[in-house]
Amino acid sequence: DVKVTQSSRYLVKRTGEKVFLECVQDMDHENMFWYRQDPGLGLRLIYFSYDVKMKEKGDIPEGYSVSREKKERFSLILESASTNQTSMYLCASIRGSQTYNEQFFGPGTRLTVL
Amino acid sequence: QKEVEQNSGPLSVPEGAIASLNCTYSDRGSQSFFWYRQYSGKSPELIMFIYSNGDKEDGRFTAQLNKASQYVSLLIRDSQPSDSATYLCAVRLGNQFYFGTGTSLTVIP
Repeated sequence: DVKVTQSSRYLVKRTGEKVFLECVQDMDHENMFWYRQDPGLGLRLIYFSYDVKMKEKGDIPEGYSVSREKKERFSLILESASTNQTSMYLCASIRGSQTYNEQFFGPGTRLTVL
Repeated sequence: QKEVEQNSGPLSVPEGAIASLNCTYSDRGSQSFFWYRQYSGKSPELIMFIYSNGDKEDGRFTAQLNKASQYVSLLIRDSQPSDSATYLCAVRLGNQFYFGTGTSLTVIP
């Protein structure tokens, strides 16, 4: 079974703090994604990575950065957390580029910025 | 802008009935289509995918794709209270996935 894990289920941070969200997958998947999910807005792509040290901006990259130093690990960084970054953050991974390959999601991190 | 539209609901059906969930997409280059179920506070889990026109059945679930109309649907037969969840439609374009905002389904015992 594919497993995608995220470092925290719940996180509370203060405005201005630097926040690291970690995601690890154990199935040697090439592609990894970070989304945020907000009521009424659905899942929105922040960044994705198709290889080590490679990254692409998604629809809402502002205020975020990412790091992928190893194939299995994809980190999301909030450089200076703000209250509008309070959200559910979901990591996902997928193997290769075949059109039928599904995304596997991690359990999510619910981040609250005070 | 690649858009995926779903009725937000809520959709309520009695136990044992057929639930019909609909999704439209804007980009004709979309390659494959996925239905995810998401329980409150949990992450999405895949129900099924489809990439050819027509119907695809898996147990109580049937996905239908009409690329000419840019329309994909999910039918849930013999609905159970445990099917109560939010259903997300997703389309794949290249290496990116685009999600609808989800339809909330409640199955009434």
